[in-house]
Amino acid sequence: DTEVTQTPKHLVMGMTNKKSLKCEQHMGHRAMYWYKQKAKKPPELMFVYSYEKLSINESVPSRFSPECPNSSLLNLHLHALQPEDSALYLCASSQPSGLTNSPLHFGNGTRLTVT
Amino acid sequence: AQKITQTQPGMFVQEKEAVTLDCTYDTSDPSYGLFWYKQPSSGEMIFLIYQGSYDQQNATEGRYSLNFQKARKSANLVISASQLGDSAMYFCAMSRPTGANNLFFGTGTRLTVIP
Repeated sequence: DTEVTQTPKHLVMGMTNKKSLKCEQHMGHRAMYWYKQKAKKPPELMFVYSYEKLSINESVPSRFSPECPNSSLLNLHLHALQPEDSALYLCASSQPSGLTNSPLHFGNGTRLTVT
Repeated sequence: AQKITQTQPGMFVQEKEAVTLDCTYDTSDPSYGLFWYKQPSSGEMIFLIYQGSYDQQNATEGRYSLNFQKARKSANLVISASQLGDSAMYFCAMSRPTGANNLFFGTGTRLTVIP
């Protein structure tokens, strides 16, 4: 079983909806990540939180809004998405920055479909 | 700039045989980490093995070994005694030394194990 839990597993939303993706880890990690993966493509980094502070935003459109309420939780708020935003959204966690040997531990992902 | 290249879109291997998945990289940073992940059709990214740029020996984890040739900038994954459950997408990834330990991924190799 994965130690990073993502909910929901599947989400279908309209372009005018507001929804949130949730991610939780209990491994004591202090860095958390959101990746987006389109079909048959590698994951692409969206956001990184380090010690609950946003450290990297890879020029993601503002219709995606991340939030890190505490060291165990990471949310991704969605609003006014486009059909091209349909993808697998992966959450990951790791030991903090500066440790290049710290692997990212991923959740099972949320498959998002925007209609 | 850093770059990861996986030149094999798809590979086939007979069950119980060994297979090598290729990965080459390019970076000007002296310190970096190289990772391999497995992604089954379910979507989860499963960490397999890690190699640090200063590690003198090739990494091994059970049936997985990493053939690290620093001068050639290659980090090939060797899977011994292939099993049907090894059929999946395999991604090579490199850690960025700046900020949190976020990874960027190669394009992946789809491995199919034939009974």
